[in-house]
Amino acid sequence: KQEVTQIPAALSVPEGENLVLNCSFTDSAIYNLQWFRQDPGKGLTSLLLIQSSQREQTSGRLNASLDKSSGRSTLYIAASQPGDSATYLCAVRGTYKYIFGTGTRLKVLA
Amino acid sequence: SAVISQKPSRDICQRGTSLTIQCQVDSQVTMMFWYRQQPGQSLTLIATANQGSEATYESGFVIDKFPISRPNLTFSTLTVSNMSPEDSSIYLCSVEDGEQYFGPGTRLTVT
Repeated sequence: KQEVTQIPAALSVPEGENLVLNCSFTDSAIYNLQWFRQDPGKGLTSLLLIQSSQREQTSGRLNASLDKSSGRSTLYIAASQPGDSATYLCAVRGTYKYIFGTGTRLKVLA
Repeated sequence: SAVISQKPSRDICQRGTSLTIQCQVDSQVTMMFWYRQQPGQSLTLIATANQGSEATYESGFVIDKFPISRPNLTFSTLTVSNMSPEDSSIYLCSVEDGEQYFGPGTRLTVT
């Protein structure tokens, strides 16, 4: 059974810092991995999608990496801003469904 | 990218009643998913709804409690039946079109 864990559960950093969010999964047989952000009381916004054959994806200040063999993905946020404050979720795609991680609550202080 | 709308956005319901949540997509998609997000928790998949077939429910979720309809490739409904306070959650629908896209969610409070 696939289990997805995110570390840390919560993170508070001053504005401008570079930071790394971690996502671990127990079954390496995945089709893809997707990172989302969720603002309080809102739905999920897709940030990056990494196919199983890819090693990383970049979008603006965000960079996500995938190491299937070790069951890990990281989301790197450069030059963090208060607007980045949200909960970040990773989700792995198995044979027919997605399994979500436990989430990291990020607060960027001005 | 797919654009998804949900109705209602929020509701407060009395225990023992039922609520039907609607999910509308702006394009035809094969796979639709319904999730529950309990307060302070991550997302848990309730069921996968493909057009033309019965929904596939995850462990811990049953059709009598969460009946789902999928009449066409752009629309689905989830009903939360015989509600109790434990059903208070955000309910989200999503679709897969290369990647997963989510609706804004329905915040349900059961009193």
